[in-house]
Amino acid sequence: EAGVAQSPRYKIIEKRQSVAFWCNPISGHATLYWYQQILGQGPKLLIQFQNNGVVDDSQLPKDRFSAERLKGVDSTLKIQPAKLEDSAVYLCASSFRNSPEQYFGPGTRLTVT
Amino acid sequence: AQSVTQLDSHVSVSEGTPVLLRCNYSSSYSPSLFWYVQHPNKGLQLLLKYTSAATLVKGINGFEAEFKKSETSFHLTKPSAHMSDAAEYFCVVSVGVGGATNKLIFGTGTLLAVQP
Repeated sequence: EAGVAQSPRYKIIEKRQSVAFWCNPISGHATLYWYQQILGQGPKLLIQFQNNGVVDDSQLPKDRFSAERLKGVDSTLKIQPAKLEDSAVYLCASSFRNSPEQYFGPGTRLTVT
Repeated sequence: AQSVTQLDSHVSVSEGTPVLLRCNYSSSYSPSLFWYVQHPNKGLQLLLKYTSAATLVKGINGFEAEFKKSETSFHLTKPSAHMSDAAEYFCVVSVGVGGATNKLIFGTGTLLAVQP
């Protein structure tokens, strides 16, 4: 069974530039999550989708972050404009509907200079 | 509000000796609890989960954890450490959102070092 796929694996940008991350969840998983993991901390949920609808985006900085899951499968997370404090690993996870067990992708390490 | 507290940010053990990583939880109802492991430059991998069945939960790679309601603890143990166990370990609680979905709240992590 293929796992959660993410790309790119690494990205370096300058502050005020924009960046996008892509995630393809495990086939059949209705729920998709984006997490931000700052160095030395545990992952923090940014946004959660159920199919193509947003369930929870309370921790998403909506002035600069956006995410979509138009067809209920893969998803894109965008940052525009980036700030230095956005440097982190961005993790995507997916799960079956109603299951607390989440499967994580390898993450995208973002460095903002 | 649900939360987890990992009591040690760093733990160092010798290869072949027991491992104990401590976690306390806070929850207003019976929680779902997990331990995840993260090796350097790799994604998070589920070690084991507790979802109100048996209180002693066995996971992968010889790890196990015991849910103790009276102590609000969910400590992770392994009888004998291996060099490949060196990684960061996260204690996690699941919070229901909207009645049908789940949000994971992560602890701050414990970095396990295994000395030869």
